[in-house]
Amino acid sequence: QVQVVQSGAEVKKPGASVKVSCEVSGYPLTELSMHWVRQAPGKGPEWMGGFDPQDAKAIYAQKFQGRVTMTEGTSSDTVYMELSSLRSDDTAVYYCATDSPGIAVPEGYYAMDVWGQGTTVTVSS
Amino acid sequence: QSVLTQPPSVSGAPGQRVTISCTGDKSNIGADYFVHWYQQLPGTAPRLLIYGNNIRPSGVPDRFSGSKSGTSASLAITGLQAADEAVYYCQSFDSSLSGVVFGGGTKLTVL
Repeated sequence: QVQVVQSGAEVKKPGASVKVSCEVSGYPLTELSMHWVRQAPGKGPEWMGGFDPQDAKAIYAQKFQGRVTMTEGTSSDTVYMELSSLRSDDTAVYYCATDSPGIAVPEGYYAMDVWGQGTTVTVSS
Repeated sequence: QSVLTQPPSVSGAPGQRVTISCTGDKSNIGADYFVHWYQQLPGTAPRLLIYGNNIRPSGVPDRFSGSKSGTSASLAITGLQAADEAVYYCQSFDSSLSGVVFGGGTKLTVL
């Protein structure tokens, strides 16, 4: 069973960067399609980027291009999302989410079956 | 303004059936990208309810069903229960934006 555990809450000043980690267990990370989604207070989910299974590469939302970087750790079971030039409106809960072996393809392309617990990022001066 | 349009709210009495619509265009739902649906309870991460337009992941009750036609999709919930009170989101892929898009969400109230 795929499980995802994220790093803890962060408080940052405007202009700083934040790096959130997501540790995956129960299935090889290389066989999963990981995504990052954020949710501002009282708002709906907003996709930031992730792995495109059709093109087998990372893709980013146009809104975040140039400001977000998604990487894999050397241990191969951890992924990271770094967001730079933080602003107050980046205050949100950040989730990593992935598909799982139980999700059929191609019907499950871009579906997010397993979610982390969320990481609250607060940007305030 | 979300790329996928959902009604802000729907309601129904226990035991009744409700549907939630999700309207897109020719660059997302109409381009034959699959539609997925999520349920979000307060303070929790979204939960995948339906993927691939109409497939239920293991563990999701058959009271939940999905459909798609043209540039729209729908989520139907039958036998409404108090526990179904939540916000529901649709999601797809958009070729113009080259990325994943979510609907604005629909709050379901069980009367």
